[in-house]
Amino acid sequence: KQEVTQIPAALSVPEGENLVLNCSFTDSAIYNLQWFRQDPGKGLTSLLLIQSSQREQTSGRLNASLDKSSGRSTLYIAASQPGDSATYLCAVGGSNYKLTFGKGTLLTVNP
Amino acid sequence: GAVVSQHPSWVICKSGTSVKIECRSLDFQATTMFWYRQFPKQSLMLMATSNEGSKATYEQGVEKDKFLINHASLTLSTLTVTSAHPEDSSFYICSARDSGGGRTDTQYFGPGTRLTVL
Repeated sequence: KQEVTQIPAALSVPEGENLVLNCSFTDSAIYNLQWFRQDPGKGLTSLLLIQSSQREQTSGRLNASLDKSSGRSTLYIAASQPGDSATYLCAVGGSNYKLTFGKGTLLTVNP
Repeated sequence: GAVVSQHPSWVICKSGTSVKIECRSLDFQATTMFWYRQFPKQSLMLMATSNEGSKATYEQGVEKDKFLINHASLTLSTLTVTSAHPEDSSFYICSARDSGGGRTDTQYFGPGTRLTVL
């Protein structure tokens, strides 16, 4: 059974800092990996999708990497802003398009 | 971009009643939709896969007779929580996979429905 772990569970940084969120998974036989953002009481916003054959994806200040063999992914956020404050979820895509989620990292960016 | 809506956004009901939650893909067709449940400070847990025109596939431990899923059209799936109890109180989120587009791995998520059972 696939298990997804995210570290740290919570992170508080000053505005402008670069930061890294970590995600690990136990079964390397994945189809893809996605990073989502969730604001309190809201649904999910997809940030980046990395296919299993890819190593990384970039969108603006966000960069996600995938090392399938070691079961790890990182989300790099450059020049963090208070508006980046949210919970970031990592999800691994398996067969039949099913997603297994981690518990998330609660990010707070202080002005 | 692709939009998924959920209705209602929140609902409060009495124990023993049934509640229906709708999930709609507004600008694309979705042969497959997914229903998730999220408890406070926990991750999203997949409950079931909703397939248009056929029976839903439930994850282990999810009671199919309690959580009724109907995927009647290519843009609508409904989740009915029958005989709701306080322990069913949770945040229910649906997602839809665009069956007509090129990015078939992408799932689009609804805004969620907060269910509180008194």
